[in-house]
Amino acid sequence: LAKTTQPISMDSYEGQEVNITCSHNNIATNDYITWYQQFPSQGPRFIIQGYKTKVTNEVASLFIPADRKSSTLSLPRVSLSDTAVYYCLVGDPRFTSGTYKYIFGTGTRLKVLA
Amino acid sequence: GAVVSQHPSRVICKSGTSVKIECRSLDFQATTMFWYRQFPKQSLMLMATSNEGSKATYEQGVEKDKFLINHASLTLSTLTVTSAHPEDSSFYICSAALAGSYNEQFFGPGTRLTVL
Repeated sequence: LAKTTQPISMDSYEGQEVNITCSHNNIATNDYITWYQQFPSQGPRFIIQGYKTKVTNEVASLFIPADRKSSTLSLPRVSLSDTAVYYCLVGDPRFTSGTYKYIFGTGTRLKVLA
Repeated sequence: GAVVSQHPSRVICKSGTSVKIECRSLDFQATTMFWYRQFPKQSLMLMATSNEGSKATYEQGVEKDKFLINHASLTLSTLTVTSAHPEDSSFYICSAALAGSYNEQFFGPGTRLTVL
């Protein structure tokens, strides 16, 4: 299973763009990269998932270089409500593989300041 | 989107009692469900993988006789903490997955267990 490394914490100000980078040097060919957000005392919430290049949805963008050994979650114009822990996960989401499971790393604790 | 519920949301019990936590997929059938435990300020730790109709697969270090998992239907998995002790106090989170597709796991809201 690919291990991920993220910064433990980050601070930002409202209205700024935040980029959180995750390293996953041992990513396998079939692995996808998925990011989750977690607020205190709540279950994680899906943000975005990608395999290569760039993925964008209504809340974030995910940048994945050609070697896929890292990825960057980009949150445009953050607000105070984006203060949360962000987890980068790597794995094969095709559950037919029979061996799929999520191993959570430390996550990045983002604090958005006014 | 897919919704996963957990019941109860929080429970307080005396040491030595057993507690059952339910995890339900409300609008889809989940062939696989996962159970996690999370201590304060820490990451989620996978406890076990539960497949409908078969025995759960436990992660190393997780006592299968203490944390009983039953996945009796495609929409329900239960985690029973037997003979709970204060060190079992934690935030328990389940997730559900739909087999055969590229799909993320859908997480429940979590259950806060406090053992006195």
